[in-house]
Amino acid sequence: KAGVTQTPRYLIKTRGQQVTLSCSPISGHRSVSWYQQTPGQGLQFLFEYFSETQRNKGNFPGRFSGRQFSNSRSEMNVSTLELGDSALYLCASSWGRGQEDTEAFFGQGTRLTVV
Amino acid sequence: AQSVAQPEDQVNVAEGNPLTVKCTYSVSGNPYLFWYVQYPNRGLQFLLKYITGDNLVKGSYGFEAEFNKSQTSFHLKKPSALVSDSALYFCAVRGLYNFNKFYFGSGTKLNVKP
Repeated sequence: KAGVTQTPRYLIKTRGQQVTLSCSPISGHRSVSWYQQTPGQGLQFLFEYFSETQRNKGNFPGRFSGRQFSNSRSEMNVSTLELGDSALYLCASSWGRGQEDTEAFFGQGTRLTVV
Repeated sequence: AQSVAQPEDQVNVAEGNPLTVKCTYSVSGNPYLFWYVQYPNRGLQFLLKYITGDNLVKGSYGFEAEFNKSQTSFHLKKPSALVSDSALYFCAVRGLYNFNKFYFGSGTKLNVKP
């Protein structure tokens, strides 16, 4: 059974550019969440998508957005990149069924470097 | 509000010795607690979880965790550490209403020396 797949693994972008990250969840999982990991702030929740709808949102500026497709694959977009956006972006998938849903499964992440 | 705290940035143990990585929690309602491990430049790997039931939870790679309600703790343990256990360990709690939102601790770097 394939795990969570994130592409690309590494990205280098210039300030002011925009970037799109992709996440394919485990087959059958309908919930996809995104996290930003930095040495200073640790792991922070960005947003969660379920059945193509954003269900939860963290405290990030509007430059961070996402979407989910009918096959549950998700993309995350960051516009007008800033140096502080350099981070490891992690995607997590789960069934999304509610309380009986427990652990989330994470991808290997996309390492974004903004120069 | 849901939160977890990992009081130690780093834990050093010798191979073969028991290890403990500490975590305390603060939650509303019943806690859904988790431990994840992260190797360099990799994502998070699930180790174990506490939902309800026995206070001693067994997980992957010989790890276990003890849930202590009176001390609001969920410490990760292993009887005999391996050098390959060296990694970054995260304690996490699920959101009370946002079930797919995890609140993570700051992480503890485990160093196991040969």
